[in-house]
Amino acid sequence: GAVVSQHPSWVICKSGTSVKIECRSLDFQATTMFWYRQFPKQSLMLMATSNEGSKATYEQGVEKDKFLINHASLTLSTLTVTSAHPEDSSFYICSAREGFSQETQYFGPGTRLLVL
Amino acid sequence: DQQVKQNSPSLSVQEGRISILNCDYTNSMFDYFLWYKKYPAEGPTFLISISSIKDKNEDGRFTVFLNKSAKHLSLHIVPSQPGDSAVYFCAASAGSGGSNYKLTFGKGTLLTVNP
Repeated sequence: GAVVSQHPSWVICKSGTSVKIECRSLDFQATTMFWYRQFPKQSLMLMATSNEGSKATYEQGVEKDKFLINHASLTLSTLTVTSAHPEDSSFYICSAREGFSQETQYFGPGTRLLVL
Repeated sequence: DQQVKQNSPSLSVQEGRISILNCDYTNSMFDYFLWYKKYPAEGPTFLISISSIKDKNEDGRFTVFLNKSAKHLSLHIVPSQPGDSAVYFCAASAGSGGSNYKLTFGKGTLLTVNP
C-alpha cells in the first residue's frame, strides 16, 4: 500500500513551452501533497505545499506564477512549469501525506525535466 | 544555507559490519528527525524517526541516535546487508505532524554494502 505515482518520469521540452507533471496517490487519500525539486548533488528542496481544494503555499523564492500547482482531488496534484527555461531543468519529486504524521508522507519516484 | 548537513557523500562497508551514517543540523527549532532510504528510480521511503525528547530509537537492525547539544544524529545499521545499499537522506522538521510541518532534507549519503 501507500503508493505514489508520478507522470511522466522523464520529459524533454523546448525552452518557452509548458510542462505538466502529475502526482497521484494510488491507494490512499492525501490530505496534503508536497512538491520538491532536487538539483544534482543537492538536497530535496521543498517548493510548495498544497491541500486539496485550497491554494498552494509556496516556499520563499519559488515563483507561484511559474510553478502552477493544482490539487483538485484527494488523490491528484499537478505541477505545471510554465514557459520553461534551461535553468528549470531539474528532478521534480512529489509526496503525498496520509493523515498528519510525517511518517505517513510517501514519495513519488520523481520526474526528470530537461529544457533545451 | 544548508540547515541539514550530511557531510559524507558516500560510505562503503563490508556485509555484516556496522554502517554509521551521520547528520548535523543547525536550526534549533528542529525537534523531529527522520531517515529515508532511496533506491534508484524510486522515491525516498521512510525508515526510522526520532523525537527530540528521546536520544535513541531502535527498529530491528536500524538505530537512530540523537545528540541535541551537538545538533547531531546518526543512523546505525547492524549488521549491514547488500540490500541496504541505497542513498540515505536525513530530514528534520519543527514538529512531528500537522498540516504545515515541512521537511528539510540533507543531500544524502550513498551507502554501498559489499558482499
